[in-house]
Amino acid sequence: SAVISQKPSRDICQRGTSLTIQCQVDSQVTMMFWYRQQPGQSLTLIATANQGSEATYESGFVIDKFPISRPNLTFSTLTVSNMSPEDSSIYLCSVDPTGVTGDTQYFGPGTRLTVL
Amino acid sequence: QKEVEQNSGPLSVPEGAIASLNCTYSDRGSQSFFWYRQYSGKSPELIMFIYSNGDKEDGRFTAQLNKASQYVSLLIRDSQPSDSATYLCAVPGNTPLVFGKGTRLSVIA
Repeated sequence: SAVISQKPSRDICQRGTSLTIQCQVDSQVTMMFWYRQQPGQSLTLIATANQGSEATYESGFVIDKFPISRPNLTFSTLTVSNMSPEDSSIYLCSVDPTGVTGDTQYFGPGTRLTVL
Repeated sequence: QKEVEQNSGPLSVPEGAIASLNCTYSDRGSQSFFWYRQYSGKSPELIMFIYSNGDKEDGRFTAQLNKASQYVSLLIRDSQPSDSATYLCAVPGNTPLVFGKGTRLSVIA
């Protein structure tokens, strides 16, 4: 398994600003992912954070809006840029420690973002 | 594109009853299946995984897999109000896992 922490746990931001969310894992992991979960909705994958290279984004998500860094095997950041109220959501970091297809994923506690 | 289908619910059961949550998946080649529980305002947590046809039991939880029918279920025996949550079914994609939309379970005291 993996123990995952996220910072901040919640924030209230003004329209047009940016917020960077940090994800820290207690061990080196192969795969890290960022999800969004809007109120009452299911998980939506934003991107896969690749160590040492650019993130792989899902359809509908772009690097300019959601830049991601992954400087090493235990840490990643997601920035939500030029925020609007539609970005209000819970943002979740998730890891697959082994990177083996079909293996378990674990989730961080999430960051609850409200944009005014 | 792999798909996972779940009834969104809500599924309401009385305390002490058996709750049955169902999931169907599109990829006949899927080899492993996961159930996550998500309390309101919290992140998903893994409850069980199952690889083989048949039943797998863990305490009050039983996962049932039928690969021929492409169907996996989660039974919760002696349901408690603390089991009230959304239950997500997941199957492997190319990574990461492909999640269903979840079934909301409400256990009524």
